This record gives sequence, C-alpha cells and structure tokens, in this order.
Amino acid sequence: SAVISQKPSRDICQRGTSLTIQCQVDSQVTMMFWYRQQPGQSLTLIATANQGSEATYESGFVIDKFPISRPNLTFSTLTVSNMSPEDSSIYLCSLTSDSFEQFFGPGTRLTVL
Amino acid sequence: GQNIDQPTEMTATEGAIVQINCTYQTSGFNGLFWYQQHAGEAPTFLSYNVLDGLEEKGRFSSFLSRSKGYSYLLLKELQMKDSASYLCAVREGNDYKLSFGAGTTVTVRA
Repeated sequence: SAVISQKPSRDICQRGTSLTIQCQVDSQVTMMFWYRQQPGQSLTLIATANQGSEATYESGFVIDKFPISRPNLTFSTLTVSNMSPEDSSIYLCSLTSDSFEQFFGPGTRLTVL
Repeated sequence: GQNIDQPTEMTATEGAIVQINCTYQTSGFNGLFWYQQHAGEAPTFLSYNVLDGLEEKGRFSSFLSRSKGYSYLLLKELQMKDSASYLCAVREGNDYKLSFGAGTTVTVRA
C-alpha cells in the first residue's frame, strides 16, 4: 500500500487565522479525499481532491472555507480558512488504491483557540 | 445517501469473541469497509467486502449480506490491543468516497 504523510501533525491556532495542511503520497494515485473527524465523532467527507480541476465538495462544505489544491497525482493541500473553535478536529487525507481499498494518512490534529 | 448503524459500545474479555454488527441503507451499494481506530490515531484498514459471504484475515473476519443490508466484523481470540473503535463504512456508486458509521468502541478486559 502507498505511504501517506501529512504535515503538520498537529497545530494550535488562533481564531480568524488559516492553516494549510499538506498530504504527500509516495506513489501516483487517482483518487484523493479529505475527511474531518470532530472530537468523539466519526469521519465526515469534506471533498474529493481532483487532479487538475476544482475539488468536489460534500454538502455542508464550501470552497471558500476549505480551499483544496491538487497540483499533481502525489500531493494535495487542504486549507482551513478563518478558523473558529468549531473547526477543532482531526483532518485526514485518504486515497484509493487500484484494489479499491481506501487508506488514510496519519491525520492533522487542529485545535483552534 | 446512506444510513449506517452500528452499536456504540461493546465489552468483552481477553481471549473471547466479539461480533460487531453494521446495518446500512443505500442505493448503488459498491462495497463495505471495516476500519480499526485507536485513540488519537488514524483509521487502519481491516477489510473490504463487495460480494456476499465471509472474508477471513487471521483473527478478524468480515461478513456481508447485500440483500439484508447487513455486515458484521468478528474479532476472535481478543487481545488487550484490540481495544479500539471499529468503523463501518459504505461506498456508494462509482466515485470511491466513503460514508462512515458512528463507530463501535470495543473494550477488552483482562
């Protein structure tokens, strides 16, 4: 399976600021996704990161709040903009392998004060 | 969309067997996944079922019945390290994105 890394692993931010999370994969993958896991809850899909085109957002998530880049098949970024305490969460990137299994990166733990 | 249900918590004794059930309602079903998540860590892939039947991987097995919208994850010979949250996730259609259940917290006691 592909090796997925995320940076930063954790951060504490002030409200009103923005944080960009990076996801790097050690091989080319077609499908990359960004999920959020709020404290004590399960995972919620934010968007599908499409290479070379705009991301596809799920209901309740908008590009202005969560801009996503996917410049190539091994890298993506998610920005959490104008943060509030409600954005405190773990943010995970994931990918789908050729065998349709889906794997997750180690996650970025964000705390907004 | 999907409606995915699984129990909130389960407790079992070391060495025992635990079965975690997951029911779902969806159109265009295209696979069911089980993940293990230890506190503070990312989910780890356990199993993937797209056809009916039982898939066995060592101490873990996963079963799927598409007609009943039902799956279970069976954990055998429980060990203390199996204490974790177990997430059921369903893929719908051909776009590969997953919808997750709320997760089942399994506590293994000595």
